[in-house]
Amino acid sequence: GDSVTQMEGPVTLSEEAFLTINCTYTATGYPSLFWYVQYPGEGLQLLLKATKADDKGSNKGFEATYRKETTSFHLEKGSVQVSDSAVYFCALRDLSGGSNYKLTFGKGTLLTVNP
Amino acid sequence: KAGVTQTPRYLIKTRGQQVTLSCSPISGHRSVSWYQQTPGQGLQFLFEYFSETQRNKGNFPGRFSGRQFSNSRSEMNVSTLELGDSALYLCASSPLGTTTEAFFGQGTRLTVV
Repeated sequence: GDSVTQMEGPVTLSEEAFLTINCTYTATGYPSLFWYVQYPGEGLQLLLKATKADDKGSNKGFEATYRKETTSFHLEKGSVQVSDSAVYFCALRDLSGGSNYKLTFGKGTLLTVNP
Repeated sequence: KAGVTQTPRYLIKTRGQQVTLSCSPISGHRSVSWYQQTPGQGLQFLFEYFSETQRNKGNFPGRFSGRQFSNSRSEMNVSTLELGDSALYLCASSPLGTTTEAFFGQGTRLTVV
């Protein structure tokens, strides 16, 4: 079945540092890929997405590129801020065959950014 | 446009009781999914509804059930609550059945004592 593996962290960085959170996936079909972010006490917010190979999703300074050859979708940000502190989830949704409508999530990576 | 609304936000129940959680999707969204989030198991898919029909179900016991109404609002029910059912229950809506984005509500925090 489908699965997502991401670095679990926690990751602790200083403000303005470079961020990378690795994410790899396995899927039987051709999935769409997502990064979601969860702030304390909140639900999940869609951060960015990519639906086909070599697509780059970007939002709020975060970027991730859909790499089919390496089955990866790593999240990057050039300069993190304290307000980026949250849990980040990599996820996929595989609609192949029209019968699977669920999102499959990684276990999440806790990011803490210190001033 | 209003987001996904889940009620209540917090709930405390006793073992053996049952509970009903509610989810109102974004206006125009017809697909509603439910997820359970726990520290140990992470985010796990419960079920997905589209146009009042359950299309997919996760690996949960029959105590977990759901339904969707004609206005796309959805409810999930857990009967005979167990301590292990304590979790954050998240609802997500999507514009159409085959569109990939899902937008989440803030969740219902269920505590079983």
